[in-house]
Amino acid sequence: AQTVTQSQPEMSVQEAETVTLSCTYDTSESDYYLFWYKQPPSRQMILVIRQEAYKQQNATENRFSVNFQKAAKSFSLKISDSQLGDAAMYFCAYRFLYSGAGSYQLTFGKGTKLSVIP
Amino acid sequence: KAGVTQTPRYLIKTRGQQVTLSCSPISGHRSVSWYQQTPGQGLQFLFEYFSETQRNKGNFPGRFSGRQFSNSRSEMNVSTLELGDSALYLCASSPRTEGTGANVLTFGAGSRLTVL
Repeated sequence: AQTVTQSQPEMSVQEAETVTLSCTYDTSESDYYLFWYKQPPSRQMILVIRQEAYKQQNATENRFSVNFQKAAKSFSLKISDSQLGDAAMYFCAYRFLYSGAGSYQLTFGKGTKLSVIP
Repeated sequence: KAGVTQTPRYLIKTRGQQVTLSCSPISGHRSVSWYQQTPGQGLQFLFEYFSETQRNKGNFPGRFSGRQFSNSRSEMNVSTLELGDSALYLCASSPRTEGTGANVLTFGAGSRLTVL
């Protein structure tokens, strides 16, 4: 079974600074997707960034980027120029690449609560 | 384009009752998944529906059930409620275009269930 581990239950960052959230996962598959979702107090889960395991290039989305280390099964999220609106729970998630007739279910980590200090 | 709509947003039930939650996916999305979120267990997969068929089910008792209608709207039902069923229930939809794309899940705001 696949597992996703986020070892930092809480983190804080000064506004305008950079912070990195850690995620490790365990899988026997070679092709899969990894995601970072953000859940603000409003509870709406919002996709931050995704990475296809077959792509060596790290994904970036504006101020958000990942450091994907496939051999180490590590998938960290870097937030640059942190803003007050970045304060939220961040969840790392894993999914098989090929589903066929099966399910597209996500396996989530326990989350990291990020606080942004003005 | 309207997002994923979940109703009701909040509800309170007592032990032994049953509850039905509704989810309307993004227009054109054919897959609906349900997740339970609790402080202790985190986010856990309940089930996924595609073309009115349950594709997979997580490790939950038979009290948890769901269905999907021809317009892709989905409902989940929990019977004989227990205190431990108190949770945020999240619904997510995706296009589920076979063999292409990341089929990213788009989540609704959730239904907060409190069981007394």
